[in-house]
Amino acid sequence: QVQLQESGPGLVKPSQTLSLTCTLSGASLSDSLYFWSWIRQPAGQGLEWVGRISENSSPNYNPSLDGRVTMSIDTSRNQLSLMLTSVTAADTALYYCASLSGYNAFDVWGQGTLVTVSS
Amino acid sequence: SYVLAQPVSVSVAPGETARMTCEARNIGHITVNWYQQKPGQAPLLVMYFDSDRPPGIPERFSGSNSGNTATLTITTVEAGDEADYYCQVWDTSREEVVFGGGTKLTVL
Repeated sequence: QVQLQESGPGLVKPSQTLSLTCTLSGASLSDSLYFWSWIRQPAGQGLEWVGRISENSSPNYNPSLDGRVTMSIDTSRNQLSLMLTSVTAADTALYYCASLSGYNAFDVWGQGTLVTVSS
Repeated sequence: SYVLAQPVSVSVAPGETARMTCEARNIGHITVNWYQQKPGQAPLLVMYFDSDRPPGIPERFSGSNSGNTATLTITTVEAGDEADYYCQVWDTSREEVVFGGGTKLTVL
């Protein structure tokens, strides 16, 4: 059974860099059939796609994030990472990692990790 | 690019049929996925490739997509179906995922 687990600091100061990790179990991040994504959700609001990455393709990011996003894969640790620079209060959200299937559907989700941007 | 429009809310009585729409110009030309999100839970894929159900999703859930409208239909609605529902597409031309704003399904 594929499982995803997000982790990272729950509090980040404005203008600093948000760094999150997603650990995959039950599958391999090097599986070429899948992309791996981050999705975020501010409290009480809808879902916003952050980006996707696979081992064999260049990442794609949400252009609305103005180039502040970097995603990476560590296949030795089976971990997916997210870095978001120059954060503001608008980046406060529940951050999910998810697997993106060949149908471009998110078929497995982590439980999410809450990140608050505040001084 | 695709902007997916969903009604903010839909209300139905138990046993009735709920239809949630996702509108965008020519959305019928691409495939649509649907997610159910209950309070405090991660989203759950309930429909992919317009009308395919993942394992474990009841047959009461069905999907369609044509023209400018994709629809998720839930027949014989139960109290446990009360949730937010999001549509989602992959915009091939812009290489980005797009979500609709979500519809809150209330079971009266």
